[in-house]
Amino acid sequence: RKEVEQDPGPFNVPEGATVAFNCTYSNSASQSFFWYRQDCRKEPKLLMSVYSSGNEDGRFTAQLNRASQYISLLIRDSKLSDSATYLCVVNPGGYNKLIFGAGTRLAVHP
Amino acid sequence: DADVTQTPRNRITKTGKRIMLECSQTKGHDRMYWYRQDPGLGLRLIYYSFDVKDINKGEISDGYSVSRQAQAKFSLSLESAIPNQTALYFCATSDLSGTAGGELFFGEGSRLTVL
Repeated sequence: RKEVEQDPGPFNVPEGATVAFNCTYSNSASQSFFWYRQDCRKEPKLLMSVYSSGNEDGRFTAQLNRASQYISLLIRDSKLSDSATYLCVVNPGGYNKLIFGAGTRLAVHP
Repeated sequence: DADVTQTPRNRITKTGKRIMLECSQTKGHDRMYWYRQDPGLGLRLIYYSFDVKDINKGEISDGYSVSRQAQAKFSLSLESAIPNQTALYFCATSDLSGTAGGELFFGEGSRLTVL
């Protein structure tokens, strides 16, 4: 079983739609969680951290469910510019051992 | 100019050749990393370095070596390239709180093809 698993997609949604991605992790001792965004043929960039209490940044909401060992990302009012691959990233503890999921691809169409 | 610069951006080489990928950063970060990305797989850590005198193996270090020539420079070498090392390679940096904070700053990537 992979340490971090994501549905690869693609999720094809129209502009204005709400879309949600889940990511599961295998190490129950994992300490911190993040979502990165990667545009086609570009480098990944941090989108947001995921806090235990959940957090929101504009149209983006991230949630953590430790009991079920998953994190989620909700995007409201999708824009064409949201089209990208979203990487789930988990820190299971220890120095610099970030584990990246393979990513979920989102395609927003007019 | 990018804060994290990788050279070359694209390289095609033959099996058995020695290849070096270079990374330099202007962010002043102590921590530097090399990752590779393959389709369907997440980014995987090859090597990382906390400072000039520190080198650590990641999860897939076999077939690779690194050199931290200065705080700002971290190079990755493939001593004898093989086709399954064909991948997109990323250099990244973070500051002391980078792990807990989770923010890595990536270069634009080096696409390597080994024939």
